[in-house]
Amino acid sequence: GQNIDQPTEMTATEGAIVQINCTYQTSGFNGLFWYQQHAGEAPTFLSYNVLDGLEEKGRFSSFLSRSKGYSYLLLKELQMKDSASYLCAVKDSNYQLIWGAGTKLIIKP
Amino acid sequence: GAVVSQHPSWVICKSGTSVKIECRSLDFQATTMFWYRQFPKQSLMLMATSNEGSKATYEQGVEKDKFLINHASLTLSTLTVTSAHPEDSSFYICSASRTGERGNQPQHFGDGTRLSIL
Repeated sequence: GQNIDQPTEMTATEGAIVQINCTYQTSGFNGLFWYQQHAGEAPTFLSYNVLDGLEEKGRFSSFLSRSKGYSYLLLKELQMKDSASYLCAVKDSNYQLIWGAGTKLIIKP
Repeated sequence: GAVVSQHPSWVICKSGTSVKIECRSLDFQATTMFWYRQFPKQSLMLMATSNEGSKATYEQGVEKDKFLINHASLTLSTLTVTSAHPEDSSFYICSASRTGERGNQPQHFGDGTRLSIL
């Protein structure tokens, strides 16, 4: 079956750095997406990786290793507004998006 | 760009009522739209894939007669929850991609509809 694993919850301190990991086992691979979802709101797109390596977008970076079936989202200079759930999603060989359960990130002052 | 509008944001209605939710891509054409349901503290669950001009593709376990989907144009898809019951209460979210399912285009989400059936 297809599976995406990410930690259920993480806690970090304002101003610090946090890394949210995602491992996947899917039938084929056509890209990995990270989304942010605040409580009670719809997800918003953060990043896309299809080749190995690091993609940087301001305070957020996303890394992919296809051989390891592994990605991480790195958040720097954490702000209170970064408290949200972070969803990892993979497009499989049929271009269907498979979603992880999300990681709830709690930022403390 | 890539704005998706979903309406209404909130619905509270009596059991047995049918509820229609609209999803519009405002600044791009979407041949494919997606309908999700999300229960509190749970992940997104894909209900169906809506294809313009053809029948929707429903995920296993989703009743097509209960959740009617119509995708009559390249910018509008609707989800109708027929004869809704309290167990249908959930957060319903639509999304759309610029080039459908393929490619590196992300899905852009509407703001969601919170449905409460009394």
